[in-house]
Amino acid sequence: GQNIDQPTEMTATEGAIVQINCTYQTSGFNGLFWYQQHAGEAPTFLSYNVLDGLEEKGRFSSFLSRSKGYSYLLLKELQMKDSASYLCAVMDSNYQLIWGAGTKLIIKP
Amino acid sequence: IAGITQAPTSQILAAGRRMTLRCTQDMRHNAMYWYRQDLGLGLRLIHYSNTAGTTGKGEVPDGYSVSRANTDDFPLTLASAVPSQTSVYFCASSSIAGTDEQFFGPGTRLTVL
Repeated sequence: GQNIDQPTEMTATEGAIVQINCTYQTSGFNGLFWYQQHAGEAPTFLSYNVLDGLEEKGRFSSFLSRSKGYSYLLLKELQMKDSASYLCAVMDSNYQLIWGAGTKLIIKP
Repeated sequence: IAGITQAPTSQILAAGRRMTLRCTQDMRHNAMYWYRQDLGLGLRLIHYSNTAGTTGKGEVPDGYSVSRANTDDFPLTLASAVPSQTSVYFCASSSIAGTDEQFFGPGTRLTVL
């Protein structure tokens, strides 16, 4: 079966750095996405990785290791507005997205 | 219209009733998708359309139907609603089917009693 695992909840302090991990087992791999979802709102796109390595975009970075079935999202200089759920999704061999349940990130002052 | 819209925002429905959730995008995207999101679960794909005139089944299609008569609209119909269809429904679109990012509508919160 297909499976995406990520922690249910994490807590971090404003101004700090947090790493959200995602491991996956899917039938085929055509890339990994990270989305941000604030409570009661729609998911919004953060990043896409298809090759191994680190992609940096401002305060957010995403890493992928295809051989390990592993990705992480790194958030630096945390701000209160970063409090949200972070969704990991893998595009399988049928080009359909398989989604993790999301990691709720709580930022404390 | 800017982006992707959904209607209604929320709805309470009696079991057994028919309901159509509407989705419209103005980005001229070829691909559109319907997901449901339930607490503790990831988004699950219900149906998709790679281009106008074609549709396909996702992970959880039973009890739902879709049509794609034109590029902009992608309605989702529940023929006879059941309580297990209580969920938040998101419509999404992407420029092309495949590895393009998906843009999501604001969602419809549906409660079936």
